[in-house]
Parts: sequence; structure tokens; C-alpha cells
Amino acid sequence: DQQVKQNSPSLSVQEGRISILNCDYTNSMFDYFLWYKKYPAEGPTFLISISSIKDKNEDGRFTVFLNKSAKHLSLHIVPSQPGDSAVYFCAASAYTGANSKLTFGKGITLSVRP
Amino acid sequence: NAGVTQTPKFQVLKTGQSMTLQCAQDMNHEYMSWYRQDPGMGLRLIHYSVGAGITDQGEVPNGYNVSRSTTEDFPLRLLSAAPSQTSVYFCASSAGLLLNTGELFFGEGSRLTVL
Repeated sequence: DQQVKQNSPSLSVQEGRISILNCDYTNSMFDYFLWYKKYPAEGPTFLISISSIKDKNEDGRFTVFLNKSAKHLSLHIVPSQPGDSAVYFCAASAYTGANSKLTFGKGITLSVRP
Repeated sequence: NAGVTQTPKFQVLKTGQSMTLQCAQDMNHEYMSWYRQDPGMGLRLIHYSVGAGITDQGEVPNGYNVSRSTTEDFPLRLLSAAPSQTSVYFCASSAGLLLNTGELFFGEGSRLTVL
């Protein structure tokens, strides 16, 4: 059973518009959420994160929103640029007593059209 | 800065062969892990380590062995390769054992094909 769900496999947006990537989770023990970006033939790179005690975190063009009651988070990219075209993974972390494990979603392929 | 280095980048094996994927990091990170990425499956945790001499299983550990004799290295061994192990493998490390204190740094990946 997937604990981190990215139900939309792909998203296409026009350059300059907003991209909204969604992520849902089922495990209420998750206390930290991260977004990773992956280009073809490269490893994932960290993009932005949010703690469960916050509902919003912003870093330049990227903002992550967390709705704990709905177990939902979203990544907003404004404005979208062609270089943002990549696979975006949502990940969640739960403290297990001695350390943490990251659980990833399946990823969303974002295409930004010039 | 080298960061996380994985070798080899590509490998083709026959069913039943064994091999080791190497992973080394030069950031003095305590936490290291191996993930596999398969189409439609995202990234799944195979094994992880919170320090030299300490390893634990992740989500999909069957068919893989790991060891952590030094802080820098975390090799992943396939004892008897199977076609189901065809995948892209990523090694990742983190400074923090509690992953809410620091993000994972990934290597570039190793693409393995088992015939």
C-alpha cells in the first residue's frame, strides 16, 4: 500500500504560468515532507521541504503548501520555466525512534512548454 | 566536490551472476542508503545505514546485501542476479540521521540490466 501518492503521472503547462504538483499521504506519523527534482540520467536533487508544524514554505519561485488535516501537500512553481521540465518526487519522513526513513511517491513528469 | 560517487554507471548481467555496486561519499555523512527506481514505481528503499557497522533493511531488501565497514563506502551486492532486479539504482547520503535535519544527496545512478 503506497503511503505517498502522486496520482497524476504528468503535467504540462505553458512557460510563465503556474505549475501545481500534488501529493497525498496516508501515514499520520510523517512529520517532514520534501520535494526532489530529477532530470534524465541524473540523480534526484533536493528542491524544498516543509515541517509538519508549518503550512507553507517558500523558496524563490517554489512554494510548498501542507494541509495536515487533508494529508495533502502541493508544490507551486511560479512562474514556470522550460528548465523546470523534470520528474518531481514527493517524499515524506517519519521518525522511527533512532533515525528516519524517506518514503517517495511515484513522481510527476512536468513539461513546461515555451 | 565529488559528493556521492557510484560505479559502474552501466552494467549488464546474466541471470545468476553476482556483482557489487559501489557507492562512496566524501562528505563525512553518517546516513547512507540505496534506492531503486522502476517505471511507475518511484524510488524504493532497499537498505540503509546510520553509521559504520550498522545496516538495516528498507522496503525491498530481498536479493540484496550491504555492509558498512567505513563511513565513506556503502556497497550493494547482488548475490544471484534476477531479471526482476533490472533497474536504476541510486545511492544517497545525508548528514543527519533524522532526515528532517538535512536532505538526501543522491549519486548519478547505476543502470543495471539482467538478462
